[in-house]
Amino acid sequence: GESVGLHLPTLSVQEGDNSIINCAYSNSASDYFIWYKQESGKGPQFIIDIRSNMDKRQGQRVTVLLNKTVKHLSLQIAATQPGDSAVYFCAESARGGFQKLVFGTGTRLLVSP
Amino acid sequence: EAEVAQSPRYKITEKSQAVAFWCDPISGHATLYWYRQILGQGPELLVQFQDESVVDDSQLPKDRFSAERLKGVDSTLKIQPAELGDSAMYLCASSQPAGGRYEQYFGPGTRLTVT
Repeated sequence: GESVGLHLPTLSVQEGDNSIINCAYSNSASDYFIWYKQESGKGPQFIIDIRSNMDKRQGQRVTVLLNKTVKHLSLQIAATQPGDSAVYFCAESARGGFQKLVFGTGTRLLVSP
Repeated sequence: EAEVAQSPRYKITEKSQAVAFWCDPISGHATLYWYRQILGQGPELLVQFQDESVVDDSQLPKDRFSAERLKGVDSTLKIQPAELGDSAMYLCASSQPAGGRYEQYFGPGTRLTVT
């Protein structure tokens, strides 16, 4: 069945470091991927997305990399700040699935000053 | 900036009682989603609407949960009767696909505690 999982449940970094959060997916039919950030007590906040016809997309301080060969997705955060501390989820959507998103279990990012 | 609105933010109810949550999506968004999120896990889709029609409710426990979006704008999710296992965050999201992208925007959620 469909599943989206993360390799590291908790990632601790120092302020100013670059962070990399990884995600594996299993549905080869997935063609759209999103990263969300969720702070405690709040709803998920959209960070960046990528379609399967791309292997890299950049935003402000964030980059998403997609490796379809090994079904792997990563989120890179440059110059990590304490405000980046949150749980990060990747989500995938398969072609023809009414844009249904399947979420992974999340990675907690802890940024120390 | 437009946001998805949800109410109430917190709800405590006793088991076997009825409870309802309300969601107002971003104006113009045709697609509305209800998710349930258990602490420490990712959101799980309960029901998806396209305008006023349900397009996916395969994960909705229909013996106790119901959802409606009568005019294709705001939506209500109801649980009757509530059970202890229903304690979770209930999230509403909306989207308006464009250019092959369909990011979903989430509301703040309703934290339900069933005692």
